[in-house]
Amino acid sequence: EDQVTQSPEALRLQEGESSSLNCSYTVSGLRGLFWYRQDPGKGPEFLFTLYSAGEEKEKERLKATLTKKESFLHITAPKPEDSATYLCAVQRSNAGNMLTFGGGTRLMVKP
Amino acid sequence: ETGVTQTPRHLVMGMTNKKSLKCEQHLGHNAMYWYKQSAKKPLELMFVYNFKEQTENNSVPSRFSPECPNSSHLFLHLHTLQPEDSALYLCASSQGGLAGEYNEQFFGPGTRLTVL
Repeated sequence: EDQVTQSPEALRLQEGESSSLNCSYTVSGLRGLFWYRQDPGKGPEFLFTLYSAGEEKEKERLKATLTKKESFLHITAPKPEDSATYLCAVQRSNAGNMLTFGGGTRLMVKP
Repeated sequence: ETGVTQTPRHLVMGMTNKKSLKCEQHLGHNAMYWYKQSAKKPLELMFVYNFKEQTENNSVPSRFSPECPNSSHLFLHLHTLQPEDSALYLCASSQGGLAGEYNEQFFGPGTRLTVL
């Protein structure tokens, strides 16, 4: 059974204080790992897809990396508007288009 | 604007009511999904449709009945729900090949359902 565990559950940062969110996964044959951002009362917003270990993707202050066991979402010099819940999901190679989601990390950035 | 719209945004219903949730995607995608998001729990996949055909039913109780009349529209018909069914119901779509490629999923804003 595919498993996705995100840590920490909640993270409080001061504006400008860089940090990383972790997504550990267990899946037999990874097709892709996805990162989403979700604001309160809204649907998740797609951020990145990573396909193979060693791959990295960046978008503004966010950088996602992937190893064979985990993915990190690095946030550089965060701003209050980066406050949201960040979700990680995996797609197994022989599971069609089904995704398994982690529980998310709630990020709060204070000015 | 995500390209995926859901109506209604909020719904309160009694356990004996029948209601329907509607989802429409304007992205030209071929796959559509229903998810349930409850407090303190990960997103749970409920149903998957590829090219209007249901390809996944994740052991969902029969009081939830999906309908996909075409690749752009998806409905979730609700009847005799329980209070524990109260949650945020999210619709998503993806370009989605049947082999699972192109699976970046794009979500709608959700319907906040409360069952009394």
